[in-house]
Order: sequence, then C-alpha cells, then structure tokens
Amino acid sequence: DTEVTQTPKHLVMGMTNKKSLKCEQHMGHRAMYWYKQKAKKPPELMFVYSYEKLSINESVPSRFSPECPNSSLLNLHLHALQPEDSALYLCASSQGSLPNTDTQYFGPGTRLTVL
Amino acid sequence: SQQGEEDPQALSIQEGENATMNCSYKTSINNLQWYRQNSGRGLVHLILIRSNEREKHSGRLRVTLDTSKKSSSLLITASRAADTASYFCATDKNSGAGSYQLTFGKGTKLSVIP
Repeated sequence: DTEVTQTPKHLVMGMTNKKSLKCEQHMGHRAMYWYKQKAKKPPELMFVYSYEKLSINESVPSRFSPECPNSSLLNLHLHALQPEDSALYLCASSQGSLPNTDTQYFGPGTRLTVL
Repeated sequence: SQQGEEDPQALSIQEGENATMNCSYKTSINNLQWYRQNSGRGLVHLILIRSNEREKHSGRLRVTLDTSKKSSSLLITASRAADTASYFCATDKNSGAGSYQLTFGKGTKLSVIP
C-alpha cells in the first residue's frame, strides 16, 4: 500500500465552525507533513511531524492545530478560519529513516472553502 | 520566499515533442527533486538528483543539475497528452529526526496537445 489518503475531499465551512482534516498512511512512514496550496501557487509547508512529535511549525496561525495521534494518522483541526484560508490542503508522508534525503508521498488533498 | 524558480511558467507543445523545464534556486542544496501535479490533485514524485550528481534518467525523464549555476532542468521526451500537468522542482532541507522539508518552486504548467 503506497497510498496517502485524505478526508474529506471537499469541505465548506463558516468562519465560526470547527472542523478537522484527516490524513492516513499505512506505509510505516515516520514523518508526516501538512502543506497549504493556493490556486496557481506551489505548496507551502505548514507543519512537520517526525516520530509523532511536531518538529516544524512554519509560523502557522493558531487557528490551525495539528495533531498526530499515532504514526499512521495526522489531523489538522480548524477553528475560526478566515476566507483567505481557502485552499487545497495537502498531506504527505516520508520514510523518515533514510540518511540523506527522503521522497514524500502526497495525498490527493482536501479542497477547503471558508465562507 | 520560494527557493526554486521555474521557467517557463507555462509551456504548450504538440504530442511527440520534447518538453524542457528549468529551475533555479538561491542557496546551496542537499538534493533537488521534481514533482508533478495533475490539476487540483496531490503531487507525485518524479525524480531526485543529489547535489553530487550531474544527470539522471528515469524512463522518458532526464534531469540535469548544475550546482555552480544553481539550476536544474527537466526534459520529458516524446511527450504524451497524459503528461499535461504542473511540474515543480523542490529543494529539501533536513528538518530533524529523519524528516525533510521541501521548498517548492513556482512550477511550470505543461499542456501537451494531441
């Protein structure tokens, strides 16, 4: 199984809602990532988890709250978002054990619209 | 700011032709990777070239790396309509405990006309 799955595929939420994005992989990867991608732009890194611990937070606003319940799952909790947070949210994973570099495997993304 | 800058931003070619995309970056790198993204979907890893390599092949893909010029190119030979996608270069940086953070270039949108 070389797949990263993300749910939901699409999400529409109001600015006062609380919702969560979910990401799952069963490749035994120990590093997991959240990226945000606006239309016609490249992905931008938000968070990195390594061995279930948060290792990178790229100055992301606190209305985005990541969680890694176990080595296969990565969640992104959303609260009080703004319309400018509308984007494609991509999850990725990598083996996390290679000495020099790592290929990242991406999920299909969640298309988020904030009204 | 983005590490990589691709050019051209958009490229339109006929099926069967070769497509060349270029990427420049600003700081020294560990490795450079190329990813492909079909419209609104996740990214797919294509090829990785290490900083001590100059050229690498994978099927119809050929990647070159010139660290002195801080640039890389991706050549797709004998293009097919199914190659239509956006292509991104990405440099990686060790972010600790076996994880690597990718910084993507702006991407080249390739259209292959049947």
